[in-house]
Amino acid sequence: DIVMTQSPDSLAVSLGERATINCKSSQSVFYNSNNKNNLAWYQQKPGQPPTLLIYWASTRESGVPDRFSGSGSGTDFTLTISSLQAEDVAVYYCQQYFSSPLTFGGGTKVEIK
Amino acid sequence: EVQLLESGGGLVQPGGSLGLSCAASGFTFSSYAMTWVRQAPGKGLEWVSAISGGSDGIYYADSVKGRFTISRDNSKNTVYLHMNSLRVDDTAVYYCVKARAGDCSRSRCSIWFGPWGQGTLVTVSS
Repeated sequence: DIVMTQSPDSLAVSLGERATINCKSSQSVFYNSNNKNNLAWYQQKPGQPPTLLIYWASTRESGVPDRFSGSGSGTDFTLTISSLQAEDVAVYYCQQYFSSPLTFGGGTKVEIK
Repeated sequence: EVQLLESGGGLVQPGGSLGLSCAASGFTFSSYAMTWVRQAPGKGLEWVSAISGGSDGIYYADSVKGRFTISRDNSKNTVYLHMNSLRVDDTAVYYCVKARAGDCSRSRCSIWFGPWGQGTLVTVSS
């Protein structure tokens, strides 16, 4: 099984500042057949189901603000919120879809400082 | 607009059984893999099971293999999760989730998720 490890567990960022979340997979999630990293990011706001932010490690889902960006390849990935807004308070999860079982990171809680 | 409406959650004793349903609308149901993801109270997300559009690819997490069964009825736009031998640690909100893209074929399951239903709470307790 591919283990996904997120860091930090939580972070507090001032409004307008940058938030950076890391996700590391126990093995590469780069799929040679399509030259893409099989990695997605989700946002879960309090009391709500998660929503998809990013897939293929860096492709923003339709409607997601461009302050959210994903980067990385192989085993190391990053979700960046370039200018934190109040509505971005949430828990963020990475997920690999390279192989079954599909696995999530443990989550990173983002709060306002 | 995609809508996913879960039902069937509730309180069940350890060792008992429960069936969940998810009625889908707003998309061509048979063209998409469907999946169940759960979240224990105050915890993170755990993928449970996935089924391809034609039901030829079915996958389970090790934690539920042999106890849970996923199925779908494309004529009713509904996916099911039947849960047997329930344990206290199966207590969670169970989300029905549409595959945003990708597929779960016989040889490989590679899907990411969206959108998600609102979830149904399953509580396993004596």
